[in-house]
Amino acid sequence: SQQGEEDPQALSIQEGENATMNCSYKTSINNLQWYRQNSGRGLVHLILIRSNEREKHSGRLRVTLDTSKKSSSLLITASRAADTASYFCATPFYTGANSKLTFGKGITLSVRP
Amino acid sequence: ETGVTQSPTHLIKTRGQQVTLRCSSQSGHNTVSWYQQALGQGPQFIFQYYREEENGRGNFPPRFSGLQFPNYSSELNVNALELDDSALYLCATSTGGYEQYFGPGTRLTVT
Repeated sequence: SQQGEEDPQALSIQEGENATMNCSYKTSINNLQWYRQNSGRGLVHLILIRSNEREKHSGRLRVTLDTSKKSSSLLITASRAADTASYFCATPFYTGANSKLTFGKGITLSVRP
Repeated sequence: ETGVTQSPTHLIKTRGQQVTLRCSSQSGHNTVSWYQQALGQGPQFIFQYYREEENGRGNFPPRFSGLQFPNYSSELNVNALELDDSALYLCATSTGGYEQYFGPGTRLTVT
């Protein structure tokens, strides 16, 4: 089963606008990660936020985490056509030594030139 | 580019056949995880290998098996292929930390 649920499922914006994507999860976590996937290829790690952090920035990305609501948001500012991709939130779970990831279904972002 | 490679890129197999997918690891990455991603879905965890031992398994039947080699590269084997096995198969490597580095995937089509 999938731990994370992203919304909206699809988002279409104009280049230069901001894109906000949300993720909710079910169980307690020690971190939450966002990944990007272009055209059904491999996933690229974007940003990780730890459970004791409320907000984190990386370039044009801003991630927030609200552990009381079990939710996170990813904001992409000043979007570009190259940001067109699917975005996934992922949370870790542990069976054995190292963490594994549970992903949501993803958000398809289209940025129109 | 993460430095993780997968082969082949695409593969077409017939129901009932067997398939082997391969993944190379980044230098120093002793952990490899395999994920299955059906069309329109997020990746689902299949299993993980750490220092050549299976280190956790998702909700997949035993006909999904794997290996990790001393150089930390890995194979995913699927026996008795079913139509529902058609998916993108992703491997991800790590040093055991939180962040995982994904390869480009192998697109498997079962007819």
